[in-house]
Amino acid sequence: GDSVTQMEGPVTLSEEAFLTINCTYTATGYPSLFWYVQYPGEGLQLLLKATKADDKGSNKGFEATYRKETTSFHLEKGSVQVSDSAVYFCALLSGNTPLVFGKGTRLSVIA
Amino acid sequence: EAGVTQSPTHLIKTRGQQATLRCSPISGHTSVYWYQQALGLGLQFLLWYDEGEERNRGNFPPRFSGRQFPNYSSELNVNALELEDSALYLCASSLKGIRTNEQYFGPGTRLTVT
Repeated sequence: GDSVTQMEGPVTLSEEAFLTINCTYTATGYPSLFWYVQYPGEGLQLLLKATKADDKGSNKGFEATYRKETTSFHLEKGSVQVSDSAVYFCALLSGNTPLVFGKGTRLSVIA
Repeated sequence: EAGVTQSPTHLIKTRGQQATLRCSPISGHTSVYWYQQALGLGLQFLLWYDEGEERNRGNFPPRFSGRQFPNYSSELNVNALELEDSALYLCASSLKGIRTNEQYFGPGTRLTVT
């Protein structure tokens, strides 16, 4: 079945550091790919998405590129802030099935 | 525009009891999804309702059930609660269909089973 694998956390970075959270997927067909963010005590918010190969999703300084050849959708940000501390989930949508999520990566940014 | 709302925020039950969780989707959304977020297990899909009908179901036992009302709000029922049912239950809604429509999540209901 479809699955998403993302890097284990927690990830701890200093403010203004570069962030990469790796995400790879297994799916039949051509899935849409998403990154969701969960701030402490809140539900999930859609951060960015890409619906076809080579698409780049971007939002709030975060970006991720849909790479079909490596089945990856890595999340990057050039300069993280303390307010970016949250749990990040990679997810895919394929066919007529609901979202399949990775296990989440907790990011802590220290000043 | 109001987002997805869920109630209650927290729910404490004892093993063997039943729990009922409620979700109101964003106005105009007809699809409602339920997910379980248990510690260390990530997010697992539970149920999908669209226009009053169950469209898909995750790999959960039958004691997890639900329904969707004519106003598109939804209820999740968990019977014969077990300790491992303790989790954050998230509801999401979207416009009809899921292939391209984004899912918007509520803040969740934290269920604790003692």
